[in-house]
Amino acid sequence: ETGVTQSPTHLIKTRGQQVTLRCSSQSGHNTVSWYQQALGQGPQFIFQYYREEENGRGNFPPRFSGLQFPNYSSELNVNALELDDSALYLCASSRGLANYEQYFGPGTRLTVT
Amino acid sequence: QKEVEQDPGPLSVPEGAIVSLNCTYSNSAFQYFMWYRQYSRKGPELLMYTYSSGNKEDGRFTAQVDKSSKYISLFIRDSQPSDSATYLCAMSAGVRGGSEKLVFGKGMKLTVNP
Repeated sequence: ETGVTQSPTHLIKTRGQQVTLRCSSQSGHNTVSWYQQALGQGPQFIFQYYREEENGRGNFPPRFSGLQFPNYSSELNVNALELDDSALYLCASSRGLANYEQYFGPGTRLTVT
Repeated sequence: QKEVEQDPGPLSVPEGAIVSLNCTYSNSAFQYFMWYRQYSRKGPELLMYTYSSGNKEDGRFTAQVDKSSKYISLFIRDSQPSDSATYLCAMSAGVRGGSEKLVFGKGMKLTVNP
């Protein structure tokens, strides 16, 4: 069984640029959730995709957007990057809406300069 | 008041000690309670989850939930240096509770010294 994978591992961007992060869900999982983890903090929920539709969103502005594809992989897009967007971005997959069993990928570390 | 409060530590214990990690919460809609372990520069790893109140044991790990006090705990018996990591509590109201998101504590950094 393949776990959750994310790409790229690290990314450096300049303020104002746009970024796309990618996630492949664990085999058999059709739900993907995205989280932002700032240094020394717990992960913060960005949004969730279930069967290719957004199914819940946290307290993040519209410049954070996402997609889920028919194979259940997902993208997180962030426009107009700000310095405070520097964080570890985590993707988690689960089967259906069983959010108590979410499995996380290794994350993408984004640095905005 | 934050929905989930967790003392960030750090906590340092000798090998073999019993470790107690705790979180409190304010949202009475939470029904699912999870503990994750996160090694440095890695994603969180699910240790165990509990539904509603009660205890759950898995090897050296025991999770307890007291909904009346809005308090959850994770106990680690016979702690090992390999248990050194950040431990995150997380909670969810679940689909029937109207929210799919996991709400995390800040995480407690644990070091087990040989």
